[in-house]
Amino acid sequence: NAGVTQTPKFQVLKTGQSMTLQCAQDMNHNSMYWYRQDPGMGLRLIYYSASEGTTDKGEVPNGYNVSRLNKREFSLRLESAAPSQTSVYFCASRAGTGGQNQPQHFGDGTRLSIL
Amino acid sequence: AQSVAQPEDQVNVAEGNPLTVKCTYSVSGNPYLFWYVQYPNRGLQFLLKYITGDNLVKGSYGFEAEFNKSQTSFHLKKPSALVSDSALYFCAVSVMDTGRRALTFGSGTRLQVQP
Repeated sequence: NAGVTQTPKFQVLKTGQSMTLQCAQDMNHNSMYWYRQDPGMGLRLIYYSASEGTTDKGEVPNGYNVSRLNKREFSLRLESAAPSQTSVYFCASRAGTGGQNQPQHFGDGTRLSIL
Repeated sequence: AQSVAQPEDQVNVAEGNPLTVKCTYSVSGNPYLFWYVQYPNRGLQFLLKYITGDNLVKGSYGFEAEFNKSQTSFHLKKPSALVSDSALYFCAVSVMDTGRRALTFGSGTRLQVQP
């Protein structure tokens, strides 16, 4: 049972390039999330999806788009990468769609550097 | 708006001594509270949660946390620290009543256990 799988694990981009970060979960969870982690700032929510076919903005959505492709997969796209988007990106999933009484399960992250 | 504060960037403790990692929160309504641990180059792992009921919550790896409503705190504790407990710890909060679908994380506290 793999849990939450993120690809790629590392990526270096040039300013202005685009890329898609992939996330898949095999726990049949309804809710999925994308966070970014920056030193001293904890995790900040970029986008989330409470169920297949729905997405909502989080705290820092600017410069990103998401797609909930099906129940398993939730991708994050950078259309025109900027140095400020250098970060570690985490995908998470959770059972349920409503209140947050179930813990989130995290992938091991994608380390993204933008030059 | 909900928020979480972890006032210590780093906590140092000797192996075998008790440890405390502090967390205070601010929400409108009754909180869901969580602790997560992050090891180097890994995603966050769930340790424990408070939803309702007993104020003392027991979790994984011998950790526990005490919910104090009057002080709006949820400090993480362990009676006897291990070197292997050295990691980054995050407190997170969500609100029970509104069904908000995402967590707010603190900035993290690095725990260093010396042999």
